[in-house]
Amino acid sequence: QKEVEQDPGPLSVPEGAIVSLNCTYSNSAFQYFMWYRQYSRKGPELLMYTYSSGNKEDGRFTAQVDKSSKYISLFIRDSQPSDSATYLCAMSEGDNDMRFGAGTRLTVKP
Amino acid sequence: EPEVTQTPSHQVTQMGQEVILRCVPISNHLYFYWYRQILGQKVEFLVSFYNNEISEKSEIFDDQFSVERPDGSNFTLKIRSTKLEDSAMYFCASTSSYNSPLHFGNGTRLTVT
Repeated sequence: QKEVEQDPGPLSVPEGAIVSLNCTYSNSAFQYFMWYRQYSRKGPELLMYTYSSGNKEDGRFTAQVDKSSKYISLFIRDSQPSDSATYLCAMSEGDNDMRFGAGTRLTVKP
Repeated sequence: EPEVTQTPSHQVTQMGQEVILRCVPISNHLYFYWYRQILGQKVEFLVSFYNNEISEKSEIFDDQFSVERPDGSNFTLKIRSTKLEDSAMYFCASTSSYNSPLHFGNGTRLTVT
């Protein structure tokens, strides 16, 4: 069974802090890993998209995938109040069935 | 930047009534999806649609649900006889190719009373 585990938080950090968000999974067939950001009453917005293991950096955001540990992370550097949102990890085998984590609610305080 | 649009943003209906949720995917996308998110819970896959037919559906997507692409732009989700437990946010998503990430609309909040 495909399962994705994500600590729902909430997580509260001061402005400028480094944020670390994580997900674990049990299905070794997952190959595509995504992080979405969801503001209140909005749809998920794609932040990062990676294939297989490795790191990917985009501005203040870094995504890491460790397939051997079935563990993925999203790091946010120099966090801003505008980063306050729910962050969803998602993954798929490359089929049509993408599985989401529960989402971690992040608040960045000025 | 092109986006997925969904209407209405909020739909209130009585139990047992039929509802149709509408989506306009990004114009050059070929794969279409519906997801739902019950308040405080995970985003859950409902159904995927490609080449005018359902590719995959979850156990949630029972006989009360149907999808249709009635023309070249719209993608609809119909719930035939709504139940209280159908109350949720329903998100439409689309993508251009099989392994590409999904682009989501802002959702329709369905409230069944």
